[in-house]
Amino acid sequence: QSALTQPASVSGSPGQSITISCTGTSSDVGYYNYVSWYQQHPDKAPKLMIYEVSNRPSGVPDRFSGSKSGNTASLTISGLQAEDEADYYCRSYTSSSTLVFGGGTKLTVL
Amino acid sequence: EVQLVQSGAEVKKPGESLKISCKGSGYSFTTYWIGWVRQMPGKGLEWMGIIYPGDSDTRYSPSFQGQVTISADKSISTAYLQWSSLKASDTAMYYCARSLEVAGSGDYWGQGTLVTVSS
Repeated sequence: QSALTQPASVSGSPGQSITISCTGTSSDVGYYNYVSWYQQHPDKAPKLMIYEVSNRPSGVPDRFSGSKSGNTASLTISGLQAEDEADYYCRSYTSSSTLVFGGGTKLTVL
Repeated sequence: EVQLVQSGAEVKKPGESLKISCKGSGYSFTTYWIGWVRQMPGKGLEWMGIIYPGDSDTRYSPSFQGQVTISADKSISTAYLQWSSLKASDTAMYYCARSLEVAGSGDYWGQGTLVTVSS
């Protein structure tokens, strides 16, 4: 099972919006609404930011939003802040009853 | 307060065995899945497998099937990840995370256990 495809890096200035894509197949992202997104700062454990495509856990700012179209899920961060600089990973359930992560995207806030 | 507390860092030699742990507290341990995630130095997250402590139902990523064993002891609210013969390529940070369903998101994560395998 192959990792989901994410861009290696994205960047944006404070206050701007950025979108990170996560492309899978019709056997994972395209079939199930079990796509989640995680933020990881250096030397820290990952933190859940979005679950089931577009739901935010309590405490996650509403600047973070998720969506899906076909085999591609997306994470959008609006009103970028310096503390958003981190690595971001998507994850999806698969038809093999397993889970798979994306390769990760490094977000740089300029 | 929900917590997943993992065992401490380990330094091992190739060929040695190892079992690391993840202890849950602040919630019903038997009603959530516990998954394990590997992160090799400077690399991304990799899903290894998951266990339901309530009945020990276990699933593995094809990449890790046969390479590791996931288990749980519900009497002490602890999940385990073990190796019978470590390799240098097992050097990584390992995280545990809980989820309500096997397909679900990991809402709480452990702090990570660093495993170093070196001769």
